[in-house]
Amino acid sequence: SQQGEEDPQALSIQEGENATMNCSYKTSINNLQWYRQNSGRGLVHLILIRSNEREKHSGRLRVTLDTSKKSSSLLITASRAADTASYFCATASGSRLTFGEGTQLTVNP
Amino acid sequence: DAGVIQSPRHEVTEMGQEVTLRCKPISGHDYLFWYRQTMMRGLELLIYFNNNVPIDDSGMPEDRFSAKMPNASFSTLKIQPSEPRDSAVYFCASGPAGPQETQYFGPGTRLLVL
Repeated sequence: SQQGEEDPQALSIQEGENATMNCSYKTSINNLQWYRQNSGRGLVHLILIRSNEREKHSGRLRVTLDTSKKSSSLLITASRAADTASYFCATASGSRLTFGEGTQLTVNP
Repeated sequence: DAGVIQSPRHEVTEMGQEVTLRCKPISGHDYLFWYRQTMMRGLELLIYFNNNVPIDDSGMPEDRFSAKMPNASFSTLKIQPSEPRDSAVYFCASGPAGPQETQYFGPGTRLLVL
């Protein structure tokens, strides 16, 4: 079964708006990662947050991790049409990454 | 850096045929992973190698699937015989620092078994 579950499954916003995606998981983790997948392409690593970190930033991306609630969120600020993609969280535990089912983000110009 | 290279990008074959997928990892990466992505099951880890040695093949669905890594710059995933339910996108990924760290994915091979 999937370790991480993203919410929402799909999100449609206007260019310039912020997009927030959430990931919940069940077991303890060493780190949590977010990946982006454009249609027909491979996954691209965005950011990694370790279990002892609470927040991390990378450009327009902000990731939070709450290990007590077993959840993470990915915030994309000032979204662009080029941000349209599927976003996956991946939890690291048991010597592997386990990927969620993804959130499909559509940014309308 | 060329990134992870996979071939072929698309493969259409008939049930019962042998299929071989190929991967060239990023130079210097000690870990190589094979994943399968389907709508029903999402992204699943099939097998991973460390320094050319298979470490965890618990995700390989059955004996029809086999993977090899004869050297640090080449890996194959073979399906023999192929079945329609094997239709999926197969990704190869590599990483420098362990199965729980950042992974770099190839563009994938889209396999259709008729």
